[in-house]
Amino acid sequence: DIQMTQSPSSLSASVGDRVTITCRASQRISSYLNWYQQKSGKAPELLIYGTSSLKSGVPSRFSGSGSGTEFILTISSLQPEDFATYYCQQTYSTPLTFGGGTRVEFK
Amino acid sequence: EVQLVESGGGLVQPGRSLRLPCAGSGFTFGNFALSWYRQAPGKGLEWVGFIRSKAYGGSAEYAASLEGRFSISRDDSNSIAYLQMNSLKAEDTAVYYCTRQITIFGVAMYMDVWGKGTTVIVSS
Repeated sequence: DIQMTQSPSSLSASVGDRVTITCRASQRISSYLNWYQQKSGKAPELLIYGTSSLKSGVPSRFSGSGSGTEFILTISSLQPEDFATYYCQQTYSTPLTFGGGTRVEFK
Repeated sequence: EVQLVESGGGLVQPGRSLRLPCAGSGFTFGNFALSWYRQAPGKGLEWVGFIRSKAYGGSAEYAASLEGRFSISRDDSNSIAYLQMNSLKAEDTAVYYCTRQITIFGVAMYMDVWGKGTTVIVSS
């Protein structure tokens, strides 16, 4: 199974901050890496697929990059509605696996 | 509006079975793979399994730890997918989500639509 490791597990930030979240895969997964946002008590929502493609309707302050085994989600200027938990997921092979999540909290 | 709605959750005793329907609307249900995920209280997301569209054989794959107890089926004529859960254990307690899975040439790529989830509590 491919293990996905996210860091940090949580972070505190202020509105307007630039935030980066890293996701590392235990083996190369090409670009089969997705990012989801989950707000408290809600279902996850797709933000970015295929490492760097933004889902339609997702604000352009979100971006994704990386390749191979290391991937990054960047929020260029954190907004109040961005406080949530973020998960990366690999779909390179089954079982489809997620990182442990990164909780973005208000500083 | 593209939508998935799960139902069928509730309190169930250990060892019993439960079937969760997932109703789709706003898209051509039969053209898409459907997948199930779960999230235990306070925990992260876990893949349960998925079922391919009929165009790719309609077969299913499962998390190894669940295979044999859980199964996924689909009724495209009614736009419903099902998660059948047997021999339920306390550790199956979770919110269960149904998702639309985007595939390319049958390969899973990403989940672009999620239902709101249904809660299953396994307890005596």
